Parts: sequence; structure tokens; C-alpha cells
Amino acid sequence: QSVLTQPPSVSAAPGQKVTISCSGSSSNIVNNYVSWYQQLPGTAPKLLIYDNNKRPSGIPDRFSGSKSGTSATLGITGLQTGDEADYYCGAWDSSLSAVVFGGGTKLTVL
Amino acid sequence: QVQLQESGPGLVKPSQTLSLTCSVSGDSISSGGYCWTWIRQPAGKGLEWIGRICSSGSTNYNPSLKSRVTISVDTSKNQFSLKLSSVTAADTAVYYCARRGPNWGSSAFDVWGQGTMVTVSS
Repeated sequence: QSVLTQPPSVSAAPGQKVTISCSGSSSNIVNNYVSWYQQLPGTAPKLLIYDNNKRPSGIPDRFSGSKSGTSATLGITGLQTGDEADYYCGAWDSSLSAVVFGGGTKLTVL
Repeated sequence: QVQLQESGPGLVKPSQTLSLTCSVSGDSISSGGYCWTWIRQPAGKGLEWIGRICSSGSTNYNPSLKSRVTISVDTSKNQFSLKLSSVTAADTAVYYCARRGPNWGSSAFDVWGQGTMVTVSS
């Protein structure tokens, strides 16, 4: 049981937009920064979004992040087949004094 | 460009201590503003944060693992290490080392090692 809650799967057609939600609480999402990762099969996770809505160098602006209250959202526009991957959210949890992750969301591009 | 590389035994016996090292290249591990982190992922499952050591020298551990975990830095070798004692089959996973970005939020890991598979079995 993960501290942050994500939908197990989402799907959309190529070229469309998809959003992935991440639900938490006041001890993590509300009062701390949220990050998002993309994990392709057999590879290490890749940072897509940090500090709620910032993109590291090299990440296209098709990827965006937002946060409101106890939830955060990753948005991906212009979906490509190469976007098929597992996506994870993460945040610091002030009560646990630890980083917590969501259980992951599998994105299928139909 | 900073790169991380995990190394250590791929097979550990139950009740023994798992020891892994992460070698850092392309920058000094002593550079300020970073935290050096271990994360693991059992096959087919999600990410689990194990703990970190920051450039200030402070450490934080996952409460569920805290009694068994030690993370340390060897600045002379530009490496940091993980020791996990009293392992069981539940500790079987791919272990990643990662760097938290420069003064970024605590969950923002911008550089990752490729990961190393550790199996706990007799």
C-alpha cells in the first residue's frame, strides 16, 4: 500500500492528451514538492518534473506538472508510442521524514 | 556529466548483510547542495526509497528499514555505500543509487545509476 495513490493504468490515442493523478495528504503533497518519473521497461526511472511543475533540461514541454491541495497531476500532450511507460509520483513526507512514491501508473498509447 | 554506477554482490544469503557501492564520476561527491540516495524496486513492483546522505553529512532512512540500514560516504573514493543487515527474501530487488538535484525538492532525483539486481537466497 503506497502512501501516494495513483491509478494503476491510463490509456489514450497517439496525439491526444492524458493526465495522471497522484493523491496524498497534508504531510506530503500539500506541504512539500512533488516530482514525476517515467520508467521505460528495464531502465532506471527518468525525472520528468520536479518542484511540482519544473522540467529538467532536455524534457520536452509536452510534459507538465501541477498541484492543488492534496493532489498532483502529470499531463502529457501529443502522445507518442514512445511515451508508453510506467509513471511514478514522489514527494517528501514530513511525518515519516522520508521520500514516498506512488504505486505507479502504466500508460498505454493505443 | 555526472554518472552513477552501482556495484556489489548479486546474491546474498538470508540473515547476512547486503553491501552495495555507488561510484560517482563527473563531479565531486562533496559538492554542496546534493543528497545521495538509495532506492529499490522489487520485480514488477513500485519504487521504495531506502535512505539518503546529504552533502551536509545528515542522513535519513525509510522508517520501515531504519533499524537495518546504514548509508555512508567515502569522499576519498568519490563513492557512497549502502549496508542492509539481516536480509530476507523480501529484500530481493533492483537497487538504484541516485542523486537529488542541487537544492531541489527532496524527491527530485536527477541522476540515476543503471541499477543492480540483488537476490536474497540460500
